[in-house]
Amino acid sequence: GAVVSQHPSWVICKSGTSVKIECRSLDFQATTMFWYRQFPKQSLMLMATSNEGSKATYEQGVEKDKFLINHASLTLSTLTVTSAHPEDSSFYICSVYRELNTEAFFGQGTRLTVV
Amino acid sequence: DQQVKQNSPSLSVQEGRISILNCDYTNSMFDYFLWYKKYPAEGPTFLISISSIKDKNEDGRFTVFLNKSAKHLSLHIVPSQPGDSAVYFCAANKGGYNKLIFGAGTRLAVHP
Repeated sequence: GAVVSQHPSWVICKSGTSVKIECRSLDFQATTMFWYRQFPKQSLMLMATSNEGSKATYEQGVEKDKFLINHASLTLSTLTVTSAHPEDSSFYICSVYRELNTEAFFGQGTRLTVV
Repeated sequence: DQQVKQNSPSLSVQEGRISILNCDYTNSMFDYFLWYKKYPAEGPTFLISISSIKDKNEDGRFTVFLNKSAKHLSLHIVPSQPGDSAVYFCAANKGGYNKLIFGAGTRLAVHP
């Protein structure tokens, strides 16, 4: 069964609105979750590391005020795209690790389209 | 600077033959490597991994080879099946740090 649940799987929103994406670890507690973004025909790019109970760590070039991450519990991390613009349209994926250096489990992804 | 590179964007293989997907990396601090398979509109799924202390890991039809001196790894799929058609991502990380760095991916098409 699924280890990670991501919701919604797709969303269409108007420019200027905010969208929240949820990532739930179903099988185990995850102190760390990761958020990735994939543009068409490109690789998965790490956006940020979500840390339970503390601030997220953002990769270079990712605006922390635009992509708000909240990791309020050991099983839930949320990514909020604030004031979305068409260029934010992308495929967003979260992942969790069961333990150090084992495989990562990924959510099914969220296709965001900003119109 | 792209630390993990998959220089072949696509690969076409006949069913039953071997598929070889290549990956190069630049950061000598990477000590764990993984391969993921991804279908459109889905998250990646783990295939196989290898630690830097090994040079080969095999799991069924999938074998990963690691050449540390060349900073190169490859995924062999044999025999290839039509269901293997997907995008394959190579990923790497450094010990004690779970952040995965992905390559750009290679689209594999296995045709009958």
